[in-house]
Amino acid sequence: AQSVTQLGSHVSVSEGALVLLRCNYSSSVPPYLFWYVQYPNQGLQLLLKYTSAATLVKGINGFEAEFKKSETSFHLTKPSAHMSDAAEYFCAVSVGGSQGNLIFGKGTKLSVKP
Amino acid sequence: DADVTQTPRNRITKTGKRIMLECSQTKGHDRMYWYRQDPGLGLQLIYYSFDVKDINKGEISDGYSVSRQAQAKFSLSLESAIPNQTALYFCATSDSRTYSGAQYFGPGTRLLVL
Repeated sequence: AQSVTQLGSHVSVSEGALVLLRCNYSSSVPPYLFWYVQYPNQGLQLLLKYTSAATLVKGINGFEAEFKKSETSFHLTKPSAHMSDAAEYFCAVSVGGSQGNLIFGKGTKLSVKP
Repeated sequence: DADVTQTPRNRITKTGKRIMLECSQTKGHDRMYWYRQDPGLGLQLIYYSFDVKDINKGEISDGYSVSRQAQAKFSLSLESAIPNQTALYFCATSDSRTYSGAQYFGPGTRLLVL
């Protein structure tokens, strides 16, 4: 069965520091993987997606994620945090390739200190 | 802009009342979903619909029902609301033709059951 684990419910970084949000997945089929961001009082916005093409995926707002099959990981990174990056981030895996429903992790809340 | 809209954005109701949350989209997507979000639990799938005549239960469908009135409209009903249905509810859509599996979310409805 497919599942997603996000390590760390809260992550705090200083402005300008590296952002690293961890996601590990379990999937019995080649996974489709996603990162979403949720700003306060808003819905989820798609940041980026991995659909079996390039293993390094670039998304919006300077974020990127690398698919590592050997580690079953899809960690989200940004070289330099901005105050506007403060939000909750969700990793998700599709349960049936491109046509399956999504299973979401429990989320990681990112705080950015000035 | 093509979008996913939800009404109402906020709702307070009493235990035992029947309420309906509505979702409409102008994206032209064929698939629609209802999720609930509770703090620390991520998103849980309530119901999903792959087209107007195809409606399926998700992982937490008890106490909920849905209606797909048209390709663009998908409503969620709480037949007899109870306090533990207090949550943030999201509608989402996806397009089966794109083969990416990505879902696009509305802004959410915050429901409080007293």
